[in-house]
Amino acid sequence: GAVVSQHPSWVICKSGTSVKIECRSLDFQATTMFWYRQFPKQSLMLMATSNEGSKATYEQGVEKDKFLINHASLTLSTLTVTSAHPEDSSFYICSARGGLAVNEQFFGPGTRLTVL
Amino acid sequence: GENVEQHPSTLSVQEGDSAVIKCTYSDSASNYFPWYKQELGKRPQLIIDIRSNVGEKKDQRIAVTLNKTAKHFSLHITETQPEDSAVYFCAAKKAAGNKLTFGGGTRVLVKP
Repeated sequence: GAVVSQHPSWVICKSGTSVKIECRSLDFQATTMFWYRQFPKQSLMLMATSNEGSKATYEQGVEKDKFLINHASLTLSTLTVTSAHPEDSSFYICSARGGLAVNEQFFGPGTRLTVL
Repeated sequence: GENVEQHPSTLSVQEGDSAVIKCTYSDSASNYFPWYKQELGKRPQLIIDIRSNVGEKKDQRIAVTLNKTAKHFSLHITETQPEDSAVYFCAAKKAAGNKLTFGGGTRVLVKP
């Protein structure tokens, strides 16, 4: 149980385009979803927290107009990187919490974004 | 906000030896401390966690200890095996909070 999927697993795009990443909880209802960014050989940096049906809470320094987060249902959250640039190239990982798990977060497999 | 420091950043051990990773946290309100193992290009996997009402927890070759007074917690891996090679992250979360704050990670290499 507690499976989280992410799509796509990798994406290559041209500078200036927008990219949407989906995060789904497959066997539980995710009341809260988190989006992280991880640069090579670095830790996971929380970008934003989203609760179903409400606006996401962004961490300091994360541009909410550039990283659009939608959590429209209890099983789906999306992150859209708008007008992507090479410096946005990174590993984006979502996690979800819900069901009987009060503290534990279940991570998706990640999406590797490369912006040319 | 919460700040989590993790040491060492890299750790090389001989197969069969023990590995110890230490983390300190700043917010005394934190009460949940998970440890994650991440292999290259993969998702972080929870390997063990501890809550603040417990001082030690063990699961086969893995154990975690927590010292609330000193605000530090440690991961102990005994009888290390090559498949233990990965990056390990500690994290902390407050009772009333939503988010995990991660340490910087420790790259563990177990040499056969």
